[in-house]
Amino acid sequence: SQQGEEDPQALSIQEGENATMNCSYKTSINNLQWYRQNSGRGLVHLILIRSNEREKHSGRLRVTLDTSKKSSSLLITASRAADTASYFCATDLNDYKLSFGAGTTVTVRA
Amino acid sequence: GAGVSQTPSNKVTEKGKYVELRCDPISGHTALYWYRQSLGQGPEFLIYFQGTGAADDSGLPNDRFFAVRPEGSVSTLKIQRTERGDSAVYLCASSLRGQGHGYTFGSGTRLTVV
Repeated sequence: SQQGEEDPQALSIQEGENATMNCSYKTSINNLQWYRQNSGRGLVHLILIRSNEREKHSGRLRVTLDTSKKSSSLLITASRAADTASYFCATDLNDYKLSFGAGTTVTVRA
Repeated sequence: GAGVSQTPSNKVTEKGKYVELRCDPISGHTALYWYRQSLGQGPEFLIYFQGTGAADDSGLPNDRFFAVRPEGSVSTLKIQRTERGDSAVYLCASSLRGQGHGYTFGSGTRLTVV
């Protein structure tokens, strides 16, 4: 069963705009990870945030984690056409088993 | 190698046949994972290896599915008596240990059972 749930399911934005997507989950976690997937094939690890962290940055990515609300958000700033992909959050329950949501499909229009 | 390699990239098989999917992890990664992703869904956990042993195979859907990693490196996912419902992308990932590191995924094998 999948614990994470992303919102929205799909997002269409203009190049240069910011994209925000949210993830909610149900049980306590060790960490939460965000992945990107192009064309339904391999996933690329973007960022990992541990349960004792509240915010993390990596380049144009900003991730927040609110363990009291069991939610996380991923912000992509100054989006580019190459950011067009599906984005998944994955909760790491026990240091080896990831539970993925169904993903947010992001389309960046040139 | 530089990344996780999965072969074949695509496999079409007839219902009832046996298939093997191969995963070659990053050298030195002791942890190896198999996930399955159906269309429009996120990946679902199948099995986790730490070294040669399957530390958790609770995600394997039934006894037609089996995976091995005999020398602690390459892993093979084996599916017997394939069914149309087995059609999916099978993803392999590896990581250092199994402790809260981001995983490196391969490009997957798209299995189609006709």
